[in-house]
Amino acid sequence: DAMVIQNPRYQVTQFGKPVTLSCSQTLNHNVMYWYQQKSSQAPKLLFHYYDKDFNNEADTPDNFQSRRPNTSFCFLDIRSPGLGDAAMYLCATSRGSGGAFFGQGTRLTVV
Amino acid sequence: AQTVTQSQPEMSVQEAETVTLSCTYDTSESDYYLFWYKQPPSRQMILVIRQEAYKQQNATENRFSVNFQKAAKSFSLKISDSQLGDAAMYFCAYRTGNQFYFGTGTSLTVIP
Repeated sequence: DAMVIQNPRYQVTQFGKPVTLSCSQTLNHNVMYWYQQKSSQAPKLLFHYYDKDFNNEADTPDNFQSRRPNTSFCFLDIRSPGLGDAAMYLCATSRGSGGAFFGQGTRLTVV
Repeated sequence: AQTVTQSQPEMSVQEAETVTLSCTYDTSESDYYLFWYKQPPSRQMILVIRQEAYKQQNATENRFSVNFQKAAKSFSLKISDSQLGDAAMYFCAYRTGNQFYFGTGTSLTVIP
């Protein structure tokens, strides 16, 4: 089945230690997104790729970076995680004017 | 800036009854799309229904339907014949270009 897959589902990292979250898709969608979702809050768009074009939201901290080496994969790098970065990170894809398809998310814990 | 407001943090409904979840949005765009997403506990976000702003006809997907009032910038979701599996967080979302913006969600409880 075509889908969006995020790895790992749960990630524990140390304060200040770089961490990378990954997302892959078999939908062949040209747009990929990263959202941060904290408990009981709306998903917050961090950035998205339209094909290879990177689009950063104005209020996304510099601590967050992303890479998209090809259509299928997208990575979220957190250079120096702080306690406030603990959250669920959602990857999503879209194509055309349709809705976004989401992965199951990666729950990040910072210790 | 586009904003999406869901004024009901929590709602409950008896099984087999009907419930309506509210959503309003603010935009100066004329071409956009609206969505309702369902997020069960610890599970992924699932698209429930989609509405194009240029269409006057309200979208329907089985037991789910919307009441889209463009002038009022209102986009409510009606769930008919509620089932236990409908219990989840529901998010209203607005799309302009390639960007999706979400409301803060409504937690729906279905009472057996």
